Amino acid sequence: EIVMTQSPATLSVSPGERATLSCRASQSVSSNLAWYQQKPGQAPRLLIYGASTRATGIPARFSGSGSGTEFTLTISSLQSEDFAVYYCQQYNNWPPRTFGQGTKVEIK
Amino acid sequence: QVQLVESGGGLVKPGGSLRLSCAASGFTFSDYYMSWIRQAPGKGLEWVSYISSSGSTIYYADSVKGRFTISRDNAKNSLYLQMNSLRAEDTAVYYCAREWGDTAMPIDDYWGQGTLVTVSS
Repeated sequence: EIVMTQSPATLSVSPGERATLSCRASQSVSSNLAWYQQKPGQAPRLLIYGASTRATGIPARFSGSGSGTEFTLTISSLQSEDFAVYYCQQYNNWPPRTFGQGTKVEIK
Repeated sequence: QVQLVESGGGLVKPGGSLRLSCAASGFTFSDYYMSWIRQAPGKGLEWVSYISSSGSTIYYADSVKGRFTISRDNAKNSLYLQMNSLRAEDTAVYYCAREWGDTAMPIDDYWGQGTLVTVSS
């Protein structure tokens, strides 16, 4: 099973600032990595797939990069609606499809 | 638009059973693979089970293998999860998710709002 590790667990950022979230895989997942956003009481929403492709309707301030075992989600200028928990997920080698433990982006 | 609506959650005693349903609309259900994913209270996401579009290919997480059964009825645009021998650690919100893309590397592109399953005496 591929273990996904996200860092940091919590990221405190001021509105308008840049946020950088990391995700590491225990073995290569090529570019088969997705990022999801989850707000309290809501289902996760797909943001990024293929490590760097934005899903339909996702604003350009969200960008993903990386391949192999190291990945990054960047939010270029945080808006109030971006404060949420973000999860990475590998879908390269499954079952099982595995998620990171999440990074909470909170208001500084 | 794509809609996935889960139902069937509730309170059940350890060792009991529950059947979850997911009603799909806004897309051709029979063309898509589907999954169940769960989230324990205050915890992260855990993939539970997958079923191909025809139902011929099924996978389970080790944590539920032998206890849970995934199925689908394409005529009714519905996905199911039969959960038997439930344990306290199965307590979670259960989401159904549509799988999109390459058959070998599908992506969970749409999720329902979830249904809460609580296993407690």
